[in-house]
Amino acid sequence: GNSVTQMEGPVTLSEEAFLTINCTYTATGYPSLFWYVQYPGEGLQLLLKATKADDKGSNKGFEATYRKETTSFHLEKGSVQVSDSAVYFCAGVIQKVTFGTGTKLQVIP
Amino acid sequence: GAVVSQHPSWVICKSGTSVKIECRSLDFQATTMFWYRQFPKQSLMLMATSNEGSKATYEQGVEKDKFLINHASLTLSTLTVTSAHPEDSSFYICSALPLGSTDTQYFGPGTRLTVL
Repeated sequence: GNSVTQMEGPVTLSEEAFLTINCTYTATGYPSLFWYVQYPGEGLQLLLKATKADDKGSNKGFEATYRKETTSFHLEKGSVQVSDSAVYFCAGVIQKVTFGTGTKLQVIP
Repeated sequence: GAVVSQHPSWVICKSGTSVKIECRSLDFQATTMFWYRQFPKQSLMLMATSNEGSKATYEQGVEKDKFLINHASLTLSTLTVTSAHPEDSSFYICSALPLGSTDTQYFGPGTRLTVL
């Protein structure tokens, strides 16, 4: 079956540090790939997406590139802010959504 | 755009009672909505897929008689937790798939259910 694996957290960074959250997928076919962000007590917000190989999704300084050769969709941001503290979910879609387990990011001033 | 609301945002009920949660797509139509359950510090677990005008499709292990889903219009799906028990306490999140979209779901803010 399809699966999404993302790095375990929590990840703690200082403000303005570089962020990488790894995500890899296993699927029969080529899923659309997503990153969602969940702030405490809230639902998920779509952060970015990519639908085919080599596509780069970007939003609010975050970006991720769909790498077919490594079946990866790592999330990156050059300079994190305290307001980026949240849980980040990687997800793949082939008919149904398959979520990763989530990675909690804490950014400290 | 692409806003999904849920009501209520939180609810506390007594064991044995039923609770209805509404999920609405506010600025788009959705033939398909999804219901998820999220346990503390865990990922989302898909409970069921709700299709407008037809019966919901439940995931394995989810009791359809306990979690009643109705998708009466292109903008509204409801989840009713019947005869709730403390183990049903959880964070319930819905999402909606806009007409014409095959992959991008938009999520509601979630409903925190606490059963005493």
